[in-house]
Amino acid sequence: GAVVSQHPSRVICKSGTSVKIECRSLDFQATTMFWYRQFPKQSLMLMATSNEGSKATYEQGVEKDKFLINHASLTLSTLTVTSAHPEDSSFYICSASGPKARGQYNYGYTFGSGTRLTVV
Amino acid sequence: LAKTTQPISMDSYEGQEVNITCSHNNIATNDYITWYQQFPSQGPRFIIQGYKTKVTNEVASLFIPADRKSSTLSLPRVSLSDTAVYYCLVGPGGGADGLTFGKGTHLIIQP
Repeated sequence: GAVVSQHPSRVICKSGTSVKIECRSLDFQATTMFWYRQFPKQSLMLMATSNEGSKATYEQGVEKDKFLINHASLTLSTLTVTSAHPEDSSFYICSASGPKARGQYNYGYTFGSGTRLTVV
Repeated sequence: LAKTTQPISMDSYEGQEVNITCSHNNIATNDYITWYQQFPSQGPRFIIQGYKTKVTNEVASLFIPADRKSSTLSLPRVSLSDTAVYYCLVGPGGGADGLTFGKGTHLIIQP
């Protein structure tokens, strides 16, 4: 089945520094990838939609200059949290639309394992 | 996208059948119903998807009445490892749009 690899799984950084998170589709090409953020005991919130070779589309309230997204190839999208602050500490999850899983009727959305970001 | 309503939490015991119902009164004709499972500190995982009537796979069944305004995820003989958050999503899919997650149902399975 479709696999999305996300790295790193956990990162701790100092306030003011930048952190890059990678999302790779291992066995399929993903024209579109998505980035979500999840705070403790809350649901996933879509941050942005990333299309290969073009600028990302950000959801309302998400600062595009703070959360830089690059989707330079059909298998890799990166999210860079710039000048991170403690309030950016969260669980970041990427997803790619790709092959349907068995039993799916429409496009399959495969999720990465997530990145726990802690800003100290 | 149609809004969904699920119970915030449910408790059950190992070996029991668990049914989680999701309401989606404004479901559109071209919408599918999809359920995801999420363990702590992991990304969601696809469980099952359906359009109408009943769908069954190796891990769950999905029951959808004729009016499609609700759906029920059925987990047979649950184990402790089924403790997770279960999300019901309704939408046409298509691959170009991100998903809108509701609050989900936190299922806790006890010994």
